[in-house]
Amino acid sequence: SSELTQDPAVSVALGQTVRITCQGDSLSSYYASWYQQKPGQAPVLVIYGKNNRPSGIPDRFSGSSSGNTASLTITGAQAEDEADYYCNSRDSSGEHLVFGGGTKLTVL
Amino acid sequence: EVQLVESGGGLVQPGRSLRLSCTASGFTFGDYAMSWVRQAPGKGLEWVSFIRTKAYGGTTEYAASVKGRFTISRDDSKSIAYLQMNNLKAEDTAVYYCTRGPRDSSGWSDYWGQGTLVTVSS
Repeated sequence: SSELTQDPAVSVALGQTVRITCQGDSLSSYYASWYQQKPGQAPVLVIYGKNNRPSGIPDRFSGSSSGNTASLTITGAQAEDEADYYCNSRDSSGEHLVFGGGTKLTVL
Repeated sequence: EVQLVESGGGLVQPGRSLRLSCTASGFTFGDYAMSWVRQAPGKGLEWVSFIRTKAYGGTTEYAASVKGRFTISRDDSKSIAYLQMNNLKAEDTAVYYCTRGPRDSSGWSDYWGQGTLVTVSS
């Protein structure tokens, strides 16, 4: 079982805003990072740190955190945002890494 | 351009060994920690192991599921990270990704390879 908990599936209407959440005790001490994975492809980092986007990631992706919950928000979801999204951080010991179980985002 | 290329995957019988390689280019390899992350067919991502830089002692960490069976190492002169996998089990079947990271205390990785498939089956 994962120490980071994500909803298995979320849907959003095209152009609307969606929030994907990640819960875990370690998130009160460490930021979460977020990865997008499309079928047959390697994961791609979309958010890291407090709210940082790597070069090339659209600004409709943003991150936030409150207590033991981290969130990835997509403002104005596009068809190409349909993918699996994974959060990642340290585990409760702080020594190891852990991924959430993933959220499948469907853009309607 | 940063590139990570995994190799060494394949079909292996339970109980046997396999060594994966991750050949890096486009950055100063010795300045970065390196990780392995795996994904079983149709499942989510699972962190496997990481190795710190020589500046931080080159120390290693492992997931409980592989500790004692897998060994991560690095050759900074060749820009290669390795994952030696011993006593393989069916549940080790997965695509294995090499990543550059963790980049800081929160553990994010900024670059990923395309992965190499390991199938453990008799």
